Amino acid sequence: GEDVEQSLFLSVREGDSSVINCTYTDSSSTYLYWYKQEPGAGLQLLTYIFSNMDMKQDQRLTVLLNKKDKHLSLRIADTQTGDSAIYFCVSDSWGKLQFGAGTQVVVTP
Amino acid sequence: NAGVTQTPKFQVLKTGQSMTLQCAQDMNHNSMYWYRQDPGMGLRLIYYSASEGTTDKGEVPNGYNVSRLNKREFSLRLESAAPSQTSVYFCASFMGLDQPQHFGDGTRLSIL
Repeated sequence: GEDVEQSLFLSVREGDSSVINCTYTDSSSTYLYWYKQEPGAGLQLLTYIFSNMDMKQDQRLTVLLNKKDKHLSLRIADTQTGDSAIYFCVSDSWGKLQFGAGTQVVVTP
Repeated sequence: NAGVTQTPKFQVLKTGQSMTLQCAQDMNHNSMYWYRQDPGMGLRLIYYSASEGTTDKGEVPNGYNVSRLNKREFSLRLESAAPSQTSVYFCASFMGLDQPQHFGDGTRLSIL
């Protein structure tokens, strides 16, 4: 079946940049999303990129997409303690979502 | 706007009990979804409804039934709850192309 894989854990110092990587297998993906989940909360859409784009910047967030390698990354600049959460990489193929297992990001002072 | 509203937020059941999880959206979206989230895993699709009057199985439908009551509401029913169904359940709705899915805050369900 189709798969989305991402690293499970990332530790970063406050003020540094965080980079979360993801690979996906579904070549028919139309959109790729990054969702954030804080403890005990629902999923918050952070940003997304259309499959024919290779980069999208939104304030502190930069998404890079290498469609040939099916590789997606999320860079968070100037990481803050409020960025501590689980981040899900999600591929969207015409409304059918495939979720990665999530990357837990821990921000240390 | 409320977006996607799920009720209840928490529930504890005994094995064999039945329960219906409710979901309503006020965004006039055509498609609605039920997912479950287990520790260390992404969300897995249980059932979805592409439009009012239709429902289809997702990746993990066994032990569940759904009803698309109208365009706004999509319920998930556990007829005979099992401990393996202990999970966090998320409902989502979707307008269509160029828009992401919107998620509710989840229902945390424990089955003893």
